[in-house]
Amino acid sequence: GQNIDQPTEMTATEGAIVQINCTYQTSGFNGLFWYQQHAGEAPTFLSYNVLDGLEEKGRFSSFLSRSKGYSYLLLKELQMKDSASYLCAFMDSNYQLIWGAGTKLIIKP
Amino acid sequence: GAVVSQHPSWVICKSGTSVKIECRSLDFQATTMFWYRQFPKQSLMLMATSNEGSKATYEQGVEKDKFLINHASLTLSTLTVTSAHPEDSSFYICSARDLTSGIYEQYFGPGTRLTVT
Repeated sequence: GQNIDQPTEMTATEGAIVQINCTYQTSGFNGLFWYQQHAGEAPTFLSYNVLDGLEEKGRFSSFLSRSKGYSYLLLKELQMKDSASYLCAFMDSNYQLIWGAGTKLIIKP
Repeated sequence: GAVVSQHPSWVICKSGTSVKIECRSLDFQATTMFWYRQFPKQSLMLMATSNEGSKATYEQGVEKDKFLINHASLTLSTLTVTSAHPEDSSFYICSARDLTSGIYEQYFGPGTRLTVT
């Protein structure tokens, strides 16, 4: 079967670093996405990994290990505006996105 | 980047009436459009997937006669909530992608907040 799991909520301090983990199981895989969603708004694209390794994009980086069914999103130099939900999703063999429940990130001053 | 618009951004309607939500891809051709629903503090729930010119594929538990989806062109899809009830009040979000471009990213519209009184 297919499933995807990420923590429900995390708390971090402004200026610090936080890593949000995502694990998944699937027989067919066409990449893993991370989206950011602020309350009351639609998700916005952050990253897409299809090969193993780390992709860096400014303060945000995303890592993928296909053999372990594992990804993480790393946020550096946290800002208050980073308070949001972070959604991971993998694309299955039918090119459908299978969504995690989202991780609510709370940033404290 | 690719832009997806939704209209209206919010709507209030009376129980028993129907509401139509439009989703447009503004600068690309969307071979596939997706309709999601999101209740407060919950994650996205895929309602249906539609390919241009074909009937939509509905997820289990979603009533196709209640949520009518039309994807008549490569830039427009509509979701009609028929005979709306208060329990249909939710945040409806569409997304679109063009697989022929080789880009797998889904581009999301800004969402439509539906309140049924």
